[in-house]
Amino acid sequence: DQQVKQNSPSLSVQEGRISILNCDYTNSMFDYFLWYKKYPAEGPTFLISISSIKDKNEDGRFTVFLNKSAKHLSLHIVPSQPGDSAVYFCAASPSGYSTLTFGKGTMLLVSP
Amino acid sequence: EAGVVQSPRYKIIEKKQPVAFWCNPISGHNTLYWYLQNLGQGPELLIRYENEEAVDDSQLPKDRFSAERLKGVDSTLKIQPAELGDSAVYLCASSLGQGYTEAFFGQGTRLTVV
Repeated sequence: DQQVKQNSPSLSVQEGRISILNCDYTNSMFDYFLWYKKYPAEGPTFLISISSIKDKNEDGRFTVFLNKSAKHLSLHIVPSQPGDSAVYFCAASPSGYSTLTFGKGTMLLVSP
Repeated sequence: EAGVVQSPRYKIIEKKQPVAFWCNPISGHNTLYWYLQNLGQGPELLIRYENEEAVDDSQLPKDRFSAERLKGVDSTLKIQPAELGDSAVYLCASSLGQGYTEAFFGQGTRLTVV
């Protein structure tokens, strides 16, 4: 039973447009959420996070939105750039613990 | 600042042979993780250390997998004997400690069992 779900295996976006990556979770104990970015043959790189006490966190071109009632979060990238092409993983953790549960990832392709 | 270092990057072995992976975490990071990533999947936790203590090894297949973190710094993950289904990427990560959820990953070791 997947506790963190990324239902879109892939997403294609044109350069300059907005990319929206979605993530759903089922475990009510999760209260800290992270997005990681992964290029081929590299390990995942931390991108942005959000605590359950917030509903939005912004860092430059990246914004994460959290809807606790729907158990849903999304990552917005504006504007998208070709260098953003990578696999994006959503991850979650319960309060007080540092073990992350990951989704399967969404491959983002940003075309020029 | 150096990141998480793993070696080797790639390893090809025959089934039933032993294999070991090594990880050097970021200096000062008390928490160390070993994750397994199969093709098309997200990383899945194998074991988590807080300093030298394994605090979560519930997903580690203990009949063939073992891990150690001597002196609370470097760690080694071993598989003996390896099976075809063990082919995957083995990721090591570290974080500052309990309550610091942002983990920093190494480049991983891609294991192929033939």
